[in-house]
Amino acid sequence: GQQVMQIPQYQHVQEGEDFTTYCNSSTTLSNIQWYKQRPGGHPVFLIQLVKSGEVKKQKRLTFQFGEAKKNSSLHITATQTTDVGTYFCAGRSGGYQKVTFGTGTKLQVIP
Amino acid sequence: NAGVTQTPKFQVLKTGQSMTLQCAQDMNHEYMSWYRQDPGMGLRLIHYSVGAGITDQGEVPNGYNVSRSTTEDFPLRLLSAAPSQTSVYFCASSYSGRDNEKLFFGSGTQLSVL
Repeated sequence: GQQVMQIPQYQHVQEGEDFTTYCNSSTTLSNIQWYKQRPGGHPVFLIQLVKSGEVKKQKRLTFQFGEAKKNSSLHITATQTTDVGTYFCAGRSGGYQKVTFGTGTKLQVIP
Repeated sequence: NAGVTQTPKFQVLKTGQSMTLQCAQDMNHEYMSWYRQDPGMGLRLIHYSVGAGITDQGEVPNGYNVSRSTTEDFPLRLLSAAPSQTSVYFCASSYSGRDNEKLFFGSGTQLSVL
């Protein structure tokens, strides 16, 4: 079945440093979504990428979808303590009802 | 709008006990799903439904049953709980389950099986 891996599993950064998490799928994806889960909370939708090579920005967050539509990345510039949480990618392929989530990257920001 | 509501928030069971995790949404979403979250393994799909009377298995369905008698409700049943089912369970919904729809999650149920 489809597998979606994320690296790193954990990341500690000093406040103000940049952060990147990478998402890799074993199969070609029709689209990819990113979610953020605050500690003790539930996943909340951030963004969706659909086109090959697509890049989207949300303030300090930059999302990319690979040319082959098998990988994606999330980059945060100048992290803040409010960025703390676990970031998940989620992809769909071969059946739109089944969303496969990545393993997640837990971000800790040291003030 | 309450969104997606899950009950209970916490539950402790003994091995072999049964229980039902409740999930309700008030957004008239056709698609509902259940995920379990375990450390280092992300969110894994247990079962999903694309409408009343229609359910299907996800990635890890063993040990869990579901039914969908109404659009609003999608309960998850554990018939005989096992320690391996200790996890955080999330219910999620979207309008129809199609490609371009985001998932709305409930606040989760933390389940411990002793």
